[in-house]
Amino acid sequence: QSVLTQPPSVSGAPGQRVTISCTGSSSNIGAGYDVNWYQQLPGTAPKLLIYDDTNRPSGVPDRFSGSKSGTSASLAITGLQGEDEADYYCQSYDSSLNALFGGGTKLTVL
Amino acid sequence: QLQLQESGPGLVKPSETLSLTCTVSGGSFSSSSYYWGWIRQPPGKGLEWIGSFYYGGSTYYNPSLKSRVIISVDTSKNQLSLKLTSVTAADTAVYYCARLRRGWYGFDYWGQGTLVTVSS
Repeated sequence: QSVLTQPPSVSGAPGQRVTISCTGSSSNIGAGYDVNWYQQLPGTAPKLLIYDDTNRPSGVPDRFSGSKSGTSASLAITGLQGEDEADYYCQSYDSSLNALFGGGTKLTVL
Repeated sequence: QLQLQESGPGLVKPSETLSLTCTVSGGSFSSSSYYWGWIRQPPGKGLEWIGSFYYGGSTYYNPSLKSRVIISVDTSKNQLSLKLTSVTAADTAVYYCARLRRGWYGFDYWGQGTLVTVSS
């Protein structure tokens, strides 16, 4: 079981908005440690999607956004497209600099 | 442009030691801005952090793997290495190396990954 909890799956129709939650604890997200999000397309390495809670690396569309509150974080995807179908992972860390991953969420575009 | 490339045996026997190398091009281990890490992903499952190396020689390991893992760097070859001892079938996974940014502690560059199967 992962220290960070994500829903196993979410789905949405093209053009819709979906959110993926990531729930931690007072030892990680709730302690103020940054949350990062990754997108993993089938058969490929994960790609950094959101860093430091809310920031997008260069080249990531602004359809993707991150937020954080308390012990949880969320990834929102607006204007859903077929190419967004992938696995999404949240990641944070703790005071011992152990990197922590969520269990992953499979996004299906209907 | 930073590139990371994992290499090593694709098949390891149970109880033996898994050894992988990550060759880094376009970057250096001597920057204080980055850590360097290993992450693995069993077939059909999620990501698991194995450990990280910081340029001063500090290492950080997943508590669940700590007794079996050694991560080190060869700066002359620009290579990061992973050794995992006493492997079992549960260690079968795609192994990734990645750069970890100091500050927000996230992985900004990843290698393509290499599949290691533990089987006799």
